[in-house]
Amino acid sequence: KAGVTQTPRYLIKTRGQQVTLSCSPISGHRSVSWYQQTPGQGLQFLFEYFSETQRNKGNFPGRFSGRQFSNSRSEMNVSTLELGDSALYLCASSSQGQGVTDTQYFGPGTRLTVL
Amino acid sequence: KNQVEQSPQSLIILEGKNCTLQCNYTVSPFSNLRWYKQDTGRGPVSLTIMTFSENTKSNGRYTATLDADTKQSSLHITASQLSDSASYICVVTLNTGGFKTIFGAGTRLFVKA
Repeated sequence: KAGVTQTPRYLIKTRGQQVTLSCSPISGHRSVSWYQQTPGQGLQFLFEYFSETQRNKGNFPGRFSGRQFSNSRSEMNVSTLELGDSALYLCASSSQGQGVTDTQYFGPGTRLTVL
Repeated sequence: KNQVEQSPQSLIILEGKNCTLQCNYTVSPFSNLRWYKQDTGRGPVSLTIMTFSENTKSNGRYTATLDADTKQSSLHITASQLSDSASYICVVTLNTGGFKTIFGAGTRLFVKA
C-alpha cells in the first residue's frame, strides 16, 4: 500500500507570492490533516478535512486555506507569503480522523522557504 | 490553558540502555494521547495511541503509560538502538465539540555507540 505523498518536496518563494501544496493520502483514507513545523513553534495543527469538508481548524490566519477533492487528495494554499511562513508543511491521513484512535500516517513534508 | 510539556528537552544515552521520556499535559476535555517518533527531515511515525481508559500500550521496544488522574504519560524505550536517535513527540487531542490537537515540543534523543 503506497504511503502518503506530498508534492513538491521543496519550494522556494518570495514574500507576497502564493503557494499551493498537494497531499495524496493512503488509499481508502478519508481524513487529511495539515500541520506546520518550525524550529521555534514545533508542530502546529492547521486544519483537517474529511470527505471534502473542513472538520477542524487551528489558529492560523485566513491566508492559510485548504480543500479536499472527491478522491480525498488535498491541497493547501498560502497567500501573500511572509518570511515567517518558512516551515516544513506536513500532511497526515487516517481512516476516521484525529478524534478517533486510528493511526495517522504522515507524509515526508514539503519544505517551504520564503525569501 | 491547554498545554503539553515534555521532558527532558534532549537526552544522550549509550546503545543498549533503557530510557524514559515524560509528557505532562493540562488538557481538558481529554480525548486521546499519542506518541510519535520523528527522524530528522522526515514525517512523524505513530508509536502508540491511548484513550482515557488505557494506562499502558506497547509497540515493540516502546512502551507508553498514561495516568489520566495526574495527566502524565511516559514513553519507555528498552534496549536502545542507534536507530532510536530521533525526536519523540507527545500529542494530546481534546474534544470540545470539535477536536483540537496540541503538540509537545518533543524530546531529542541521541543514542551513542
